Amino acid sequence: GAGVSQSPSNKVTEKGKDVELRCDPISGHTALYWYRQSLGQGLEFLIYFQGNSAPDKSGLPSDRFSAERTGGSVSTLTIQRTQQEDSAVYLCASSLVATSGTDTQYFGPGTRLTVL
Amino acid sequence: GNSVTQMEGPVTLSEEAFLTINCTYTATGYPSLFWYVQYPGEGLQLLLKATKADDKGSNKGFEATYRKETTSFHLEKGSVQVSDSAVYFCALKIYNQGGKLIFGQGTELSVKP
Repeated sequence: GAGVSQSPSNKVTEKGKDVELRCDPISGHTALYWYRQSLGQGLEFLIYFQGNSAPDKSGLPSDRFSAERTGGSVSTLTIQRTQQEDSAVYLCASSLVATSGTDTQYFGPGTRLTVL
Repeated sequence: GNSVTQMEGPVTLSEEAFLTINCTYTATGYPSLFWYVQYPGEGLQLLLKATKADDKGSNKGFEATYRKETTSFHLEKGSVQVSDSAVYFCALKIYNQGGKLIFGQGTELSVKP
């Protein structure tokens, strides 16, 4: 596709439910990143993939968060037993390769998650 | 550790005023530096970047120079427009550390006619 796409654009859920967020990167981009944007914490890195592998998961806030990527393309971020503090905008980005220090990351529009 | 510090907003300017948004960084390795912009209701977009010391990134009248001696990457524009109203994020990425971006807290700019 022309850019990074994410779905859903908005998700409202009840505390304790599981949610899945989806990211479709730019075709041909081998690196995929998840970030979270919240009022209190700003923009935080969560996890990145190079191909289907996740060499750096250091930003995942707890073991309730997990992510996978299949076929070197689509990625899903899963949050189990959601809590109110999980409310944020979840951003996905992709780039050609992760190991380049100069590569540009292109961001999707984000998924706004609200946990009631 | 690696971190980015930006001047706090919001910054309010009149149209055609000069803009500076300060950004300083701390890095354990050799970073590339970026400015991203988020217009109201839109996603993050790359505004400009610089990958080595003394490089100047520029785009849409904005520019920033990578200053290794002062660990800074200040964003400037000579004459702002109402359409420049947005949130601006300074970020760094360390070569061979996985490519994750480390962002500053963002600076909101509001330009009045």
